[in-house]
Amino acid sequence: LAKTTQPISMDSYEGQEVNITCSHNNIATNDYITWYQQFPSQGPRFIIQGYKTKVTNEVASLFIPADRKSSTLSLPRVSLSDTAVYYCLVVLFTGGFKTIFGAGTRLFVKA
Amino acid sequence: ETGVTQTPRHLVMGMTNKKSLKCEQHLGHNAMYWYKQSAKKPLELMFVYSLEERVENNSVPSRFSPECPNSSHLFLHLHTLQPEDSALYLCASSQDSANSYEQYFGPGTRLTVT
Repeated sequence: LAKTTQPISMDSYEGQEVNITCSHNNIATNDYITWYQQFPSQGPRFIIQGYKTKVTNEVASLFIPADRKSSTLSLPRVSLSDTAVYYCLVVLFTGGFKTIFGAGTRLFVKA
Repeated sequence: ETGVTQTPRHLVMGMTNKKSLKCEQHLGHNAMYWYKQSAKKPLELMFVYSLEERVENNSVPSRFSPECPNSSHLFLHLHTLQPEDSALYLCASSQDSANSYEQYFGPGTRLTVT
């Protein structure tokens, strides 16, 4: 599985857009990019998944360039409740169960 | 509420005790997972069950013994643990192997080994 690299931490202010970039240079053809959010003392929560270009849902947008060696999670107009750890994962879509969580990015949203 | 419940939420046990963690999913999923999350370390995948068969065992010590009696329930039996086994143990489920990228996690059991 491709290893992912993301910033250890980020700070933001309420109302700002936050972009968290993840590098996955060794991503394979059948790999999908997945992002999770984890609040303290809770399990991670699936946010969004994509293969290429752009994916948007009610929570976030995911931008994936053509070479797929990186991806960017975009959180529009963050609030204090978006303070959490965000994990980027590369997962084999066609089967298999190996999901490897990295250290994640700790986002701290200030008032 | 994710549809995945775990009990107990907190557990303190001595190194000679035997205890079990329970996970139940109400989502009709076919795959279930155990993860360990230690302080300041990434989540570590421990075991995976698909249709009640173990399909992954990530070199976990034998003092951790999983059991999956049916597709809705998953147990983690603990015996003669070490203090370094203190961690948050998370259970998750997914529809099946083709949807393993989208896992639903329970709230976890905070385990302290004394």
